[in-house]
Amino acid sequence: DGGITQSPKYLFRKEGQNVTLSCEQNLNHDAMYWYRQDPGQGLRLIYYSQIVNDFQKGDIAEGYSVSREKKESFPLTVTSAQKNPTAFYLCASSLYLDRALNQPQHFGDGTRLSIL
Amino acid sequence: EDKVVQSPLSLVVHEGDTVTLNCSYEVTNFRSLLWYKQEKKAPTFLFMLTSSGIEKKSGRLSSILDKKELFSILNITATQTGDSAVYLCAVTGGFKTIFGAGTRLFVKA
Repeated sequence: DGGITQSPKYLFRKEGQNVTLSCEQNLNHDAMYWYRQDPGQGLRLIYYSQIVNDFQKGDIAEGYSVSREKKESFPLTVTSAQKNPTAFYLCASSLYLDRALNQPQHFGDGTRLSIL
Repeated sequence: EDKVVQSPLSLVVHEGDTVTLNCSYEVTNFRSLLWYKQEKKAPTFLFMLTSSGIEKKSGRLSSILDKKELFSILNITATQTGDSAVYLCAVTGGFKTIFGAGTRLFVKA
């Protein structure tokens, strides 16, 4: 079955530590996204990527970094510069990021990150 | 600033009731409005609306968009306990998708 796989499901970070969240898709989608979800708030865009080796900052990119070396993979690193990283992180993909086409996003099951 | 506002924030109903969830938006270069259902983890896609006045239906769920008044509603008839979830409204404008905070629906047996 095609889909998006996020791992791990739960992650704990110590102060000053960088952690990396994995996101893999086998849907052959071009565009991938990372969102952060906090209680009572909508999903907020961290980074997005339209194509391999290209990515753009979203609304809350500070303290995060990404890479897109392969079409299937879009890992997110939460750096020590992110002072409030406790949240639910969702990865998504869509077929195109093209202003002429409207494509719904497909989501992974998320990673819940907490501070130790 | 682009924004999507959903109401109510939470709702408790009994099985069999009909509910209406609201989504209003102010988004530059509007392309589409989407509804998602989020139970515990991944949001799942329900509807995409691009044109005013055309109702989309899927079983007991239906949705309609008003681009003049900048809002959409999601109706659920004959609610079941399995409808309990957070319903997210999202609007795409340009290259961005802006999400509302969601409406948390709880259906009592």
